[in-house]
Amino acid sequence: EAQVTQNPRYLITVTGKKLTVTCSQNMNHEYMSWYRQDPGLGLRQIYYSMNVEVTDKGDVPEGYKVSRKEKRNFPLILESPSPNQTSLYFCASGNLYGGYTFGSGTRLTVV
Amino acid sequence: QKEVEQDPGPLSVPEGAIVSLNCTYSNSAFQYFMWYRQYSRKGPELLMYTYSSGNKEDGRFTAQVDKSSKYISLFIRDSQPSDSATYLCAMLDDKIIFGKGTRLHILP
Repeated sequence: EAQVTQNPRYLITVTGKKLTVTCSQNMNHEYMSWYRQDPGLGLRQIYYSMNVEVTDKGDVPEGYKVSRKEKRNFPLILESPSPNQTSLYFCASGNLYGGYTFGSGTRLTVV
Repeated sequence: QKEVEQDPGPLSVPEGAIVSLNCTYSNSAFQYFMWYRQYSRKGPELLMYTYSSGNKEDGRFTAQVDKSSKYISLFIRDSQPSDSATYLCAMLDDKIIFGKGTRLHILP
């Protein structure tokens, strides 16, 4: 089954403790992206990657890092999480004209 | 002016009614338009896409684009409780730009 898999689904952490949210896709897509979704603000792009070893900032990249060492994986790294990064995060892969396939989301709470 | 505007709702309609969801946009360069559906606690899923102006129909769903008015619509006929979700419009520039979504409730 074609899918984007994110882990974990839920995460509660403390301020400053580094964390990684993993994302993996099995569709051989070159394009992958991370979004955060907040009430009233909609989906906002954090980072995206056009291919292996190619990453670019989206609209809200501050406080986040990504890497794309393999085509299928695109982890999101929060080096020092803060409470304002409490949000629902989505990984997506696909292509512009075919649309994106989204993962099921990671609900992150930073206390 | 925001690039894509979408009424957040919620929009509540009785089962069986025709639903009309809309977005306006400011960038006349947009050529490719999409609708995503997002159920609670799930990621958005692509519902329909249209290229340039006109209508596209898929079962109970019709997507309509009016480029002269910079206005797109999604119509749902014979609405069902299972259609209750948030609907996001999206448009393609050099990347996909999403509206904030409209919450739809279909009342049994």
